[in-house]
Amino acid sequence: DVKVTQSSRYLVKRTGEKVFLECVQDMDHENMFWYRQDPGLGLRLIYFSYDVKMKEKGDIPEGYSVSREKKERFSLILESASTNQTSMYLCASTRGLAGGVNEQFFGPGTRLTVL
Amino acid sequence: GQQVMQIPQYQHVQEGEDFTTYCNSSTTLSNIQWYKQRPGGHPVFLIQLVKSGEVKKQKRLTFQFGEAKKNSSLHITATQTTDVGTYFCAGPGDMRFGAGTRLTVKP
Repeated sequence: DVKVTQSSRYLVKRTGEKVFLECVQDMDHENMFWYRQDPGLGLRLIYFSYDVKMKEKGDIPEGYSVSREKKERFSLILESASTNQTSMYLCASTRGLAGGVNEQFFGPGTRLTVL
Repeated sequence: GQQVMQIPQYQHVQEGEDFTTYCNSSTTLSNIQWYKQRPGGHPVFLIQLVKSGEVKKQKRLTFQFGEAKKNSSLHITATQTTDVGTYFCAGPGDMRFGAGTRLTVKP
C-alpha cells in the first residue's frame, strides 16, 4: 500500500514562529503537493514539486515556502506563522505518469492552529 | 493550472434519494478525477475519466465526462448513509481541485 505520512496530526504554534510541516511518501512518486483545506473553500494548492529540488507555486503560495531535498520528502515551511494560516494542511503524491492514471495519494493531514 | 468549478456546495438528501454533483471547466481537460473525503478523513481517489463522453460506473456511482471534455458529473443512485462526505473533482497536471460538494444523508 502506498503510504503518505505527515509529521503531526495536530500542531499549535504562536504567531511569528517558523513552522515546518513534513511529508514523506514511500512509493518513489515523482510529484508531491501541499494543499490547505478550509471550510467552504475546498482544497487550495500551495506548492507542488515534480522532482527533487524543483518547486512550483500553486494558487496561494504567499507566506509559505517548500523544500524537496530528497524524492520521498516534501516540506512546507511557514516562515512567520500568522493566525490566518490556521488550517488543515494536506500533502499528496502521484507517480506523474504521462498518459496514465495519476491517482493522488493523500496523507492524513496536519491541523495547524496559530495563536 | 486548469481551474474547475463545482456545484452545488452542499446537498442534503433523504436516504434513498439520488444525488448529483457537477464539475465545470472553461478549458478542455485532458482528464478529470473524482475523490471522496469522509468526515474527519482525507480525500481518496475514486476514478479518472479520460475519453470524451465517457461513462463509468462503480456500483451506485455513475461518472460522466462531457463530450467537449469541459464538464463532468458524479451521480449517486439511492443514497445511503455511507455516502456521506465531500466529493471533489480535480483537473489534470498540477491537480487543481474544485471546491467540493458536501453530501449529508438523513436516515
